[in-house]
Amino acid sequence: EPEVTQTPSHQVTQMGQEVILRCVPISNHLYFYWYRQILGQKVEFLVSFYNNEISEKSEIFDDQFSVERPDGSNFTLKIRSTKLEDSAMYFCASSVLAGLTDTQYFGPGTRLTVL
Amino acid sequence: SQQGEEDPQALSIQEGENATMNCSYKTSINNLQWYRQNSGRGLVHLILIRSNEREKHSGRLRVTLDTSKKSSSLLITASRAADTASYFCATPPIQGAQKLVFGQGTRLTINP
Repeated sequence: EPEVTQTPSHQVTQMGQEVILRCVPISNHLYFYWYRQILGQKVEFLVSFYNNEISEKSEIFDDQFSVERPDGSNFTLKIRSTKLEDSAMYFCASSVLAGLTDTQYFGPGTRLTVL
Repeated sequence: SQQGEEDPQALSIQEGENATMNCSYKTSINNLQWYRQNSGRGLVHLILIRSNEREKHSGRLRVTLDTSKKSSSLLITASRAADTASYFCATPPIQGAQKLVFGQGTRLTINP
């Protein structure tokens, strides 16, 4: 069964450094998402992406964050200058159709630790 | 309560018993999704129930939806130790929104 994959599974970085989290969505999916979960807290929406542009973003997704689909398979989340509070599990998701009209399938997550 | 809040927050039962978790939401929805998360792991999709459906089954899972009460329930029958996880319902904050909004979830523990 096709699944969303994410790399790396764990990333440790120093505060102020740039990180890029990578995702490979399911191949025939058209909508892509990033969510994050700070330890012990709810899963929070960051951004959705369709047709090579951001379609929706949350207040969390400020100028320090960016997303890109550099080729036909990868979907990346970049944090330009990491802060301690960016430490969280980051989940990529994809769906065939938009949001709640269709199932969103999640990857296993990347645990980001900012020191 | 917030959109997509689960109840109870924690549930501990014996293996073989049934587990019922509830979810309440505020806005009109197209559908509602249930997810499972094992500790420190990713979110696994369980069931999507559409607004025109009242009940849906998948193996040992049974989901109901009552749009008049803006609530849903997830029943796991004949529970197993492997069912130990957190369970979340996910809904849009407004109709047509793309994002999923998750509650705090129900932490289910199955005791052998």
